[in-house]
Amino acid sequence: DSGVTQTPKHLITATGQRVTLRCSPRSGDLSVYWYQQSLDQGLQFLIQYYNGEERAKGNILERFSAQQFPDLHSELNLSSLELGDSALYFCASSTLPNTGELFFGEGSRLTVL
Amino acid sequence: QKEVEQDPGPLSVPEGAIVSLNCTYSNSAFQYFMWYRQYSRKGPELLMYTYSSGNKEDGRFTAQVDKSSKYISLFIRDSQPSDSATYLCAMMVEGAQKLVFGQGTRLTINP
Repeated sequence: DSGVTQTPKHLITATGQRVTLRCSPRSGDLSVYWYQQSLDQGLQFLIQYYNGEERAKGNILERFSAQQFPDLHSELNLSSLELGDSALYFCASSTLPNTGELFFGEGSRLTVL
Repeated sequence: QKEVEQDPGPLSVPEGAIVSLNCTYSNSAFQYFMWYRQYSRKGPELLMYTYSSGNKEDGRFTAQVDKSSKYISLFIRDSQPSDSATYLCAMMVEGAQKLVFGQGTRLTINP
């Protein structure tokens, strides 16, 4: 158990809908990362927050947004969903803002029908 | 061309064999090199962490980094069925926030 909690574990929705994925980092970790994992693209970095502030942005679509709240939990919002958004979405946390030692949650599997 | 290339396999070997997993990369600024292991339906977990060049050993696992060739390797000795998983290499530029992952190699160790 990494200590990172993600909800929901599974989500099935329709095209055009909006969903919110939630992540609670390990106790004491200030940095939260979001990654998307698909069969053809592998693990792709989406966005990183450190202590409530956006630190880095990767290949995150404009239809996607994220935030980190004062209690350090984070949410990833996906809107106007398309079939191609079906993937595993992972949250990871770390103590420091720029370390390669990430602790991943078990992921949220999104299926868009 | 992807920044990090990794053969997705699958790779299947008998129990007790030595396994060699590899990644190549194009960004010479990478300084941190990691290997993550991902079991089915789980998140990746950090297995090995190396800064710059050289070797690092941890039990049955050895990580090697050759920056001159832009090539990293993970060796697993005396492989066990419990080592069956997907192994992902990951790299990062010093001071950056983003880990760049390889595609992952799916490994099966047969009893």
